[in-house]
Amino acid sequence: ETGVTQTPRHLVMGMTNKKSLKCEQHLGHNAMYWYKQSAKKPLELMFVYNFKEQTENNSVPSRFSPECPNSSHLFLHLHTLQPEDSALYLCASSQDLGGSMYEQYFGPGTRLTVT
Amino acid sequence: AQSVTQPDIHITVSEGASLELRCNYSYGATPYLFWYVQSPGQGLQLLLKYFSGDTLVQGIKGFEAEFKRSQSSFNLRKPSVHWSDAAEYFCAVVAGSNYQLIWGAGTKLIIKP
Repeated sequence: ETGVTQTPRHLVMGMTNKKSLKCEQHLGHNAMYWYKQSAKKPLELMFVYNFKEQTENNSVPSRFSPECPNSSHLFLHLHTLQPEDSALYLCASSQDLGGSMYEQYFGPGTRLTVT
Repeated sequence: AQSVTQPDIHITVSEGASLELRCNYSYGATPYLFWYVQSPGQGLQLLLKYFSGDTLVQGIKGFEAEFKRSQSSFNLRKPSVHWSDAAEYFCAVVAGSNYQLIWGAGTKLIIKP
């Protein structure tokens, strides 16, 4: 595997379910990100981790719970979601923090549908 | 607050024709500017970036962009589009020492045969 991988690619879940999204980067990067991409809206940064430590939580509801066990893996745990949470969830990584200097590499995303 | 505007939600261009996608930003000083492309079912890929220096920057896949401070713009251009360029294009800016990217809403490029 190369680059940034995400599993599953598609997920349908009910509002009472609990599921997790997984992201893995094979680039040796130190920073990882979760973004939410909704149609016709700018990407929304959700969480940022640097060296496994969370550095940013952009007022994300607690029904989204991130986990970063090491610099290569990032999870997004989901529970009691709402239909408006349906979106494409993108994971990205960069060598370090510093958006002006370090390119972010994106995974293909998980298309989440909440029914 | 910093913001990025991509005025065109979608643009249709004939194959072989030239392309210009617009991007305007709101920030007092010189920002760091990026263009990303997202092909269907894929993540985002960096096309090019501007930090300083020459205001005309070259990117991958034959794209270029020009930074115009007076117009607060960073428009993306390609002299001749190919059907494989059909995708969604995103402009983004990093302002100051903040590492966070501020994104535009994207422009979907449709190629007519």
